[in-house]
Amino acid sequence: DTGVSQNPRHKITKRGQNVTFRCDPISEHNRLYWYRQTLGQGPEFLTYFQNEAQLEKSRLLSDRFSAERPKGSFSTLEIQRTEQGDSAMYLCASSLVGRVGSPLHFGNGTRLTVT
Amino acid sequence: AQSVTQLDSHVSVSEGTPVLLRCNYSSSYSPSLFWYVQHPNKGLQLLLKYTSAATLVKGINGFEAEFKKSETSFHLTKPSAHMSDAAEYFCVVSDPLRDMRFGAGTRLTVKP
Repeated sequence: DTGVSQNPRHKITKRGQNVTFRCDPISEHNRLYWYRQTLGQGPEFLTYFQNEAQLEKSRLLSDRFSAERPKGSFSTLEIQRTEQGDSAMYLCASSLVGRVGSPLHFGNGTRLTVT
Repeated sequence: AQSVTQLDSHVSVSEGTPVLLRCNYSSSYSPSLFWYVQHPNKGLQLLLKYTSAATLVKGINGFEAEFKKSETSFHLTKPSAHMSDAAEYFCVVSDPLRDMRFGAGTRLTVKP
C-alpha cells in the first residue's frame, strides 16, 4: 500500500491558463473522490468516481472543471481558463466501496495558486 | 441527503484538560461517521470511524467518539489534551449510496 499519490504538489499558473492534476489512488480502491479546500475551510466535495464511472458532480464544479478516470485507476482533474478564485488545495481520496464504513484515504493534495 | 454540522468553529483548552468537539449529522440511511484530523500543512488523517457496531468508538491518540442516534450526534472527546493535539478536526458523514460530506471543521487550540 503506497498510499494516494497526487501530482504536482504545487502549481502556480497565470489567470486564463489551463491546468491538470493527477491522482493515483490506492490500487485496490474502486472509489475516487476529488475535494477542494480553501484556507480555514473544510474540504468541499467536487466529484467522485466508482471505477471509471463519474457518479456525482457538485454544483461547485463549473463547466471549466472536468474530471476523468478513464481506466478506473488514476484520475485527472482539469481546470480550464483558471480564475483567481480557483486558488485552493485540491485533494484526492480513495476508498473501497462495498466494505461498510470504508474510510477515505487522502493524498497530500495539489496546491494551486492562480496569479 | 446527508449533512454534518460541527457546532464549534474553534475550541480552546488547557493542556491536561478534557476535549469535547461536537458534531451533529443528518442522513437518510444508517450512516457511517468519521473524524479526521489535519495538522498545519499536513494531509488529512483518519482518527476513528463508526460503522454501526459499538456505539463508543476508540481511535488513535486517545480520542474516542460516541454515536447517539437519538441525538443524531457523534461528538469527539479526549480525557486529557496534549499540545500535539492542536489541529483542525473534521466530522464526516457517509452513507453507502452517496459521497462523503465534511463538516466545516473545528480548530482546536491547546494552551500550555
